[in-house]
Amino acid sequence: GAVVSQHPSWVICKSGTSVKIECRSLDFQATTMFWYRQFPKQSLMLMATSNEGSKATYEQGVEKDKFLINHASLTLSTLTVTSAHPEDSSFYICSARPTYNSPLHFGNGTRLTVT
Amino acid sequence: DQQVKQNSPSLSVQEGRISILNCDYTNSMFDYFLWYKKYPAEGPTFLISISSIKDKNEDGRFTVFLNKSAKHLSLHIVPSQPGDSAVYFCAAAGGTYKYIFGTGTRLKVLA
Repeated sequence: GAVVSQHPSWVICKSGTSVKIECRSLDFQATTMFWYRQFPKQSLMLMATSNEGSKATYEQGVEKDKFLINHASLTLSTLTVTSAHPEDSSFYICSARPTYNSPLHFGNGTRLTVT
Repeated sequence: DQQVKQNSPSLSVQEGRISILNCDYTNSMFDYFLWYKKYPAEGPTFLISISSIKDKNEDGRFTVFLNKSAKHLSLHIVPSQPGDSAVYFCAAAGGTYKYIFGTGTRLKVLA
């Protein structure tokens, strides 16, 4: 149980375009989902917390206008990278948990390459 | 400020021997700790967790030890298998809803 699905697994886009990444909890409802970013050889950095039915909470230093998060239902959160630039190239991973005190379960990540 | 630290970026262990991965934390508000395993180009997979009311939790070949006074936890894998080769992240939570991750340790199990 506790499966999180993320799509697409990889995407290449041109500079200036926008990319949408979907994160779904397949067998549980998630009022909260988390978006992480991983740079090469570095840790998982929390970007934002996605809250169903309300605005996302962004971590310090993360541009909310560049990384748009929408959590329209209890099983779906989306991250849109707007006006992407090469420096946005990274590995983006979403996660969710069935209950507050349960472990985070992660999607398989999305490798974004901006050319 | 790195609240969760994994000071060993890599570790090599012979198959069948014990692998010990270490993690230190600084925030005394943390009360829930987890270990994740990650393969390249995949999301992390949950392995085992421990709450601060315990000092040990075991699940098959994996055991996590927590030393609250030292703010230190460790993951023991025994016996180590080649399929255990991956990057291992420790994570901590408490006080807030956020999970803070360490920088990871790359484990290589040699056949």
